[in-house]
Amino acid sequence: ETGVTQTPRHLVMGMTNKKSLKCEQHLGHNAMYWYKQSAKKPLELMFVYNFKEQTENNSVPSRFSPECPNSSHLFLHLHTLQPEDSALYLCASSHGLDTGELFFGEGSRLTVL
Amino acid sequence: AQSVSQHNHHVILSEAASLELGCNYSYGGTVNLFWYVQYPGQHLQLLLKYFSGDPLVKGIKGFEAEFIKSKFSFNLRKPSVQWSDTAEYFCAALISGGYNKLIFGAGTRLAVHP
Repeated sequence: ETGVTQTPRHLVMGMTNKKSLKCEQHLGHNAMYWYKQSAKKPLELMFVYNFKEQTENNSVPSRFSPECPNSSHLFLHLHTLQPEDSALYLCASSHGLDTGELFFGEGSRLTVL
Repeated sequence: AQSVSQHNHHVILSEAASLELGCNYSYGGTVNLFWYVQYPGQHLQLLLKYFSGDPLVKGIKGFEAEFIKSKFSFNLRKPSVQWSDTAEYFCAALISGGYNKLIFGAGTRLAVHP
């Protein structure tokens, strides 16, 4: 149990579907992150939120749309994805932006057909 | 561009062998360094971190890492590995800037055979 919960754990979607990934943290942290993990590639930072405000958008295509309604919840809305978007999407949280100590969820495995 | 490089994608060792995983970063400013570990079927978790002070950092489960500024390196070591150390290991660097960013390497998959 990490204190960071991601749902769903697995998701299969077609290129025309719209779906969302959800992340919830019970650690009282102020910062939340989305990372993309693909085989044999570095973890790619996608988005960062600090106190519900987006502080980083790492040139992510607009077919990925984040939402952070409060410091405990983070969503990643998906629409018209491509097969190359298939990956493990990791959510993480941290107390602040300067600790480097992130607490990760177990990830949502996304397959785009 | 800022980046973190891990030299080995796969490492296979026998139990009791010594381990050293390489990590280099490319950034000329202040940087804080980390090793994360992901055991099979589990989430990523912090193994150890370096912020300042003694460049030899000790972490959990007998792991240690040495920060060598002149080589831009932060290699992970363990004198005697166990089967339970089988996992994927990620080096990361916290780059200071307008907003700090934690940048990861591609990971090294370690398999320890009994």
